[in-house]
Amino acid sequence: AQTVTQSQPEMSVQEAETVTLSCTYDTSESDYYLFWYKQPPSRQMILVIRQEAYKQQNATENRFSVNFQKAAKSFSLKISDSQLGDAAMYFCAYRTFTGANSKLTFGKGITLSVRP
Amino acid sequence: EAQVTQNPRYLITVTGKKLTVTCSQNMNHEYMSWYRQDPGLGLRQIYYSMNVEVTDKGDVPEGYKVSRKEKRNFPLILESPSPNQTSLYFCASSLHRGRDNEQFFGPGTRLTVL
Repeated sequence: AQTVTQSQPEMSVQEAETVTLSCTYDTSESDYYLFWYKQPPSRQMILVIRQEAYKQQNATENRFSVNFQKAAKSFSLKISDSQLGDAAMYFCAYRTFTGANSKLTFGKGITLSVRP
Repeated sequence: EAQVTQNPRYLITVTGKKLTVTCSQNMNHEYMSWYRQDPGLGLRQIYYSMNVEVTDKGDVPEGYKVSRKEKRNFPLILESPSPNQTSLYFCASSLHRGRDNEQFFGPGTRLTVL
């Protein structure tokens, strides 16, 4: 079965510090994208960052960066200079493109709290 | 403004009373999808549609129906809701199913079935 594992249900970080959220996945596909989504209390799903599996260079978006280890099927998210607005649930997901469907497969999510 | 809208945002209903959650996008997207989010389970796909009149089951389709008569609309129908369908529902769309196409999510619909 194709799965995404986020083993840490909760994490906490001090404001202005750095935190890393872990994610591992398992897919037999060779062509896929990886994503991190943020879900604040408003419940809106917000795309944080994405990584194409064929690209070796790790994606970065301002304070957000990933550590993509394809062989290990690991895709962690690093948040630098954490801000109070970063407090949310974060979901790791991947999307494949074979067949008719191109669904997102999500992990269970991790709740991140930011201490002032 | 490019967006995916869902209605209603909140709904409390009783077992067996048919309901429809609407989803509409204004981006001329071909691919649309419904997900449900449950605590400890993440989001799981219910149904998807590749284009008008083309729909298929996702991972958890039991108890749901969909239709795609117009490109912009993709309603989710619960013919006889049951308490285990209490969940947070998201509609999502992307230009097509291909690579490098971001899926845009609606704001979510919180459904409670008593």
